[in-house]
Amino acid sequence: GAGVSQSPRYKVAKRGQDVALRCDPISGHVSLFWYQQALGQGPEFLTYFQNEAQLDKSGLPSDRFFAERPEGSVSTLKIQRTQQEDSAVYLCASSLVVGTVSGNTIYFGEGSWLTVV
Amino acid sequence: QQPVQSPQAVILREGEDAVINCSSSKALYSVHWYRQKHGEAPVFLMILLKGGEQKGHDKISASFNEKKQQSSLYLTASQLSYSGTYFCGTEKNQGGKLIFGQGTELSVKP
Repeated sequence: GAGVSQSPRYKVAKRGQDVALRCDPISGHVSLFWYQQALGQGPEFLTYFQNEAQLDKSGLPSDRFFAERPEGSVSTLKIQRTQQEDSAVYLCASSLVVGTVSGNTIYFGEGSWLTVV
Repeated sequence: QQPVQSPQAVILREGEDAVINCSSSKALYSVHWYRQKHGEAPVFLMILLKGGEQKGHDKISASFNEKKQQSSLYLTASQLSYSGTYFCGTEKNQGGKLIFGQGTELSVKP
């Protein structure tokens, strides 16, 4: 597709429910990132994939958060037993190559807005 | 580890200039600048790599002082479309993972 696509755009979950957020990166992009953005804050890193390999998951806040990218393309971020503090915008981003080469850009999707009630 | 941005917010009249600063306590490989409007994706503005600086587009440019671990974003002759929240994202090494500042909210008034 033309850009990074995320779904659903909006999700309301009852506390304790499991949610799955999907990210379709730009076709051919090797690197994929998940970020969490609370209201009025900057995006906070969650995890990073290079193709299907999850190279860094240091930002995942708890073992309730799980991400996968089994075929090196689409990625899913799963949150189990959601809590109110999980309410945030979850941003997915992708880039063409590994790391940052001169002129390379990390492109963001519009995000999935999660509200836990 | 999170870079610090200043100012936190700025209000401009159309045509005025602004500077947004981004400071890190760690040595940096690169600095990325993004603008985000409410409810939208962060939009890439430019990247500055260690050892150089890069001019952006329109009247937006930036500099990167590696020794001071600081970057500045310069907006000249601001337009209404420049309104939004500006984030710097810093990269410690060539790994692609960006750590973002808390953002600078810019409002341009007619």
